Amino acid sequence: DAGVTQSPTHLIKTRGQQVTLRCSPKSGHDTVSWYQQALGQGPQFIFQYYEEEERQRGNFPDRFSGHQFPNYSSELNVNALLLGDSALYLCASSLAVSRVIHEQYFGPGTRLTVT
Amino acid sequence: RKEVEQDPGPFNVPEGATVAFNCTYSNSASQSFFWYRQDCRKEPKLLMSVYSSGNEDGRFTAQLNRASQYISLLIRDSKLSDSATYLCVVNPPGANNLFFGTGTRLTVIP
Repeated sequence: DAGVTQSPTHLIKTRGQQVTLRCSPKSGHDTVSWYQQALGQGPQFIFQYYEEEERQRGNFPDRFSGHQFPNYSSELNVNALLLGDSALYLCASSLAVSRVIHEQYFGPGTRLTVT
Repeated sequence: RKEVEQDPGPFNVPEGATVAFNCTYSNSASQSFFWYRQDCRKEPKLLMSVYSSGNEDGRFTAQLNRASQYISLLIRDSKLSDSATYLCVVNPPGANNLFFGTGTRLTVIP
């Protein structure tokens, strides 16, 4: 049973560039959430996708956007990268039961460095 | 005020010791609570859910105090392999995301 997978594992980008991160949820899960974890901090919620729609969004600017595909996989896009976007980006999958989210399981993350 | 607050530590304890972590949450109507464990440069992994009645899994015991809005994690007979960061996590009402504390760093010393 494959767990949550993310790609790439590491990425180095330059300020102003754009980046796309990818996530495949755990088998049987239908909901994908994205989190940003800066060094020394807990993960911060970016947004969540369910039924191919953004269901909820955290306090992140519009430079952060996403998508969910029919197979439940998801992408996170960040435009106009800033140095402060350097972080570990975590994807978490879960199963919505009666539209209520229960435990979330995390992928290994993508470590993004912006120079 | 932050949704979830934790003492960042670090906690340095000898093998075999008992250690307890607390965290507080701001939304009194929150319904779901969890403890996650995160090893250095790895993803958070669900350690245990926290139920109103408290729950135990081997050496780990989690408790919820709704009146004081805090959650605790007790680790008995600490092992070297318990060294990690422990994240307190809350799912507020009406939200489908998780709010994480900053984590408490534990180092178990031989």
